[in-house]
This record gives sequence, C-alpha cells and structure tokens, in this order.
Amino acid sequence: NAGVTQTPKFRVLKTGQSMTLLCAQDMNHEYMYWYRQDPGMGLRLIHYSVGEGTTAKGEVPDGYNVSRLKKQNFLLGLESAAPSQTSVYFCASSPWGTDYGYTFGSGTRLTVV
Amino acid sequence: KNQVEQSPQSLIILEGKNCTLQCNYTVSPFSNLRWYKQDTGRGPVSLTIMTFSENTKSNGRYTATLDADTKQSSLHITASQLSDSASYICVVSGQAGTALIFGKGTTLSVSS
Repeated sequence: NAGVTQTPKFRVLKTGQSMTLLCAQDMNHEYMYWYRQDPGMGLRLIHYSVGEGTTAKGEVPDGYNVSRLKKQNFLLGLESAAPSQTSVYFCASSPWGTDYGYTFGSGTRLTVV
Repeated sequence: KNQVEQSPQSLIILEGKNCTLQCNYTVSPFSNLRWYKQDTGRGPVSLTIMTFSENTKSNGRYTATLDADTKQSSLHITASQLSDSASYICVVSGQAGTALIFGKGTTLSVSS
C-alpha cells in the first residue's frame, strides 16, 4: 500500500554538487512526473514520462535530467546544483495521463547553499 | 495564457464553521478540474475530480461545484475540523495530453 515513495526526504547540497532523487511507485502506473513547489507559486512540471524508457520536458526542465529505465522508477538528476534549485520536489504518477487522478509522493526538500 | 486563480489566498475559520474556496480558470479547451488537499510537509491528495459535464461532486464534508460556462469552481467545506487545516489546490487539465495547470492554493487554518 505504499503508493509513491520518494527518497531522500531532505537533502542539503553545496553549489555545484550533483545528486539524484528517486521516485518509486507500486501501482503499475504508466505516467510519472516530477514537479517543484516554490513559495507563492503553483506546482511546476519539470519532466515527465509516459512509459518505460521515455521522458519529456515539462515547463521548467533546465538544470535537470531524468531517466525511466524501469516502469516503477523515475529518477531526477541535478548535475550541478544551483541555489535557484532550492525547492520542494514532488513526484507523481497516474494510470494514463491528465484525464486520470494523480498520486503524489510526500516530497523531497532540497536546499542548495 | 492558461491560468488558474484561487481566492482567498488564506483563510482562518473557527472549528465547526463552513467555508467556501474559489477557483477561476482561463484554460481552454478544458478537460477536467480537480481539488487537492495538501497538509504541511506532505504531497497533495486528491479530493475531487470533475469533467466539464459535472456540476457538483462530493467527498464527505467536501463539495466541489463547477460552472464550465463561467470557468469557475468552488470547494465548500462543511462543519470544519482542525484536521482541515491545509492548503487547498485547484488544478485544471486542458485537452488530453497537455500538462496540468496548478493554482497557488488557498491556505486554510481552522482554530478551536
């Protein structure tokens, strides 16, 4: 009954460091998404995937890369972290796309100093 | 430009009282509208999802209404509880395959 699991929950990075955020879902959903949430703004789509082995850019993709090697996992990478990437990152999944409900993870709070 | 505007930005009510949150959108074409509840430090959780043909949908003490002609939606919370304290986010989906558009949310605080 896990749903969408994100790891880690918290992380502090120094500018220029790299890291990978992991999202795992156990609902056999085809679509997976990465969002960022900043104060005073709505969630913004970074990248998404419509199936294993496929990824696409969202609204704010710069500075991020993603991979979906397995259907249940969606990885978000930051190659060279910048303070502007300080945010709360949410992963979500849905069965087939925007006409269906999304299930969100509990988020990763990332601070870049 | 496709936008979702929510009002008020924040709201404080006494436990047991009712409240209504508003959502106006300019997304066109329109596919569906959903309301999410987001507790502090948690991910959003779906409350309701409505297509353009639905006028109202309930989920316990939460009732959402939709007027697709005026592009307005509301979320009514009945007999509020302390656990209703959260951010409520209105999300609109355009035509199939396009990204969701999120409102900034209304922060509700229920006090005893």
